[in-house]
Amino acid sequence: NAGVMQNPRHLVRRRGQEARLRCSPMKGHSHVYWYRQLPEEGLKFMVYLQKENIIDESGMPKERFSAEFPKEGPSILRIQQVVRGDSAAYFCASSPIAAQETQYFGPGTRLLVL
Amino acid sequence: GQQVMQIPQYQHVQEGEDFTTYCNSSTTLSNIQWYKQRPGGHPVFLIQLVKSGEVKKQKRLTFQFGEAKKNSSLHITATQTTDVGTYFCAGNPSFLDSNYQLIWGAGTKLIIKP
Repeated sequence: NAGVMQNPRHLVRRRGQEARLRCSPMKGHSHVYWYRQLPEEGLKFMVYLQKENIIDESGMPKERFSAEFPKEGPSILRIQQVVRGDSAAYFCASSPIAAQETQYFGPGTRLLVL
Repeated sequence: GQQVMQIPQYQHVQEGEDFTTYCNSSTTLSNIQWYKQRPGGHPVFLIQLVKSGEVKKQKRLTFQFGEAKKNSSLHITATQTTDVGTYFCAGNPSFLDSNYQLIWGAGTKLIIKP
């Protein structure tokens, strides 16, 4: 039973480019959460999605950031026109039901903006 | 907004000494979860506490949930080098009907002195 998969594991972008991060939840999990972690800091909630629905995007910047979890395929976190401040580790987590349940984290995508 | 304060931010110990991290919530929690993140790794679920006054043990780790369900602690006895990492608490506020968003503490980094 594969765990949460994220790719790429490392991503380098120049300022102004787009970053696209992918997350495949554990089999049977229909709830996906995205977090951002700056170096030496804690986890910051960004967005919570179920299949085809954004449930809570209160932690996600209104501009340049978007997320989706289509009926088929992985969840995507998209950052347009990246800036240096977007450099961080982005973690995806999944759970089978809701946040009452354990969240299983993927290995993360380390984004570096030059 | 709801907050979970976690202290200390860092704790330096000699190998063999004990380690404790504390979490305090501004609101009553329905449950609290603890995660460990090794350096360069991703958060891994350790345990969930649900009942008022609950105490759970995992080998050298002891987890407590306060009587008022607003605070929690993690205590490690006789630390080992394998304990190095950042320990996060994450609480589920009980007033939220959907119970989907965990409120994360900032983490306590355990550092073993050489």
